[in-house]
Amino acid sequence: DVVMTQSPLSLPVTLGQPASISCRSSQSLVHSNGDIYLNWFQQRPGQSPRRLIYQVSKRDSGVPDRFTGTGSGTDFTLKISRVEAEDIGTYYCMQGTHWPRALGQGTRLEIK
Amino acid sequence: EVQLVESGGGLVQPGGSLRLSCAASGFTFRSSAMNWVRHAPGRGLEWVAAFSGSTTNTYYANSVRGRFTISRDNSKNTLYLQMDSLRAEDTALYYCARDWQLDYWGLGTAVTVSS
Repeated sequence: DVVMTQSPLSLPVTLGQPASISCRSSQSLVHSNGDIYLNWFQQRPGQSPRRLIYQVSKRDSGVPDRFTGTGSGTDFTLKISRVEAEDIGTYYCMQGTHWPRALGQGTRLEIK
Repeated sequence: EVQLVESGGGLVQPGGSLRLSCAASGFTFRSSAMNWVRHAPGRGLEWVAAFSGSTTNTYYANSVRGRFTISRDNSKNTLYLQMDSLRAEDTALYYCARDWQLDYWGLGTAVTVSS
């Protein structure tokens, strides 16, 4: 089974500063159709998860452009250009290429 | 507007059973793949099971295979999760989510397995 490994698990940030979360998969996420199904989710405290990014770099509707997803093969990154207070929460990557699906452990973004 | 409303959670003893439901609206349910994902206290999200929208294919996490059964009733726009032989480690908030890539999520229903 694919294992997703995120780092760091805790990320203290200063408002207005950038933040970056890494996600690594134990095997390639390139699907047989050539697409890469790597998603990023945000879970704010007390809320349901919300998808931010799909297929590595495509932003969902309503997601601010300060969120950027990059990567290929087995290494992926979620970057926030300038952290705002509403960005506080836990971020998860998830591979949607192989069965069973797998999520990373989660990265907790908190204010310094 | 896509809406997913989970129900059926509660307190159950170890070894017991529970059936969760997810009522869907605002999209063509019968053609949409659907998932169950859970969030245990103090832990991260864990994908549990999925049901194809166009076939009867189902998929399960190793931790629940053989104990949980995902099903759907397209006439009722409802997704189900039958949970048998429940264990303490199944205690979690259970979400349903749409699509192979989980683009919309419900608010969840809480399951507690305890004696």
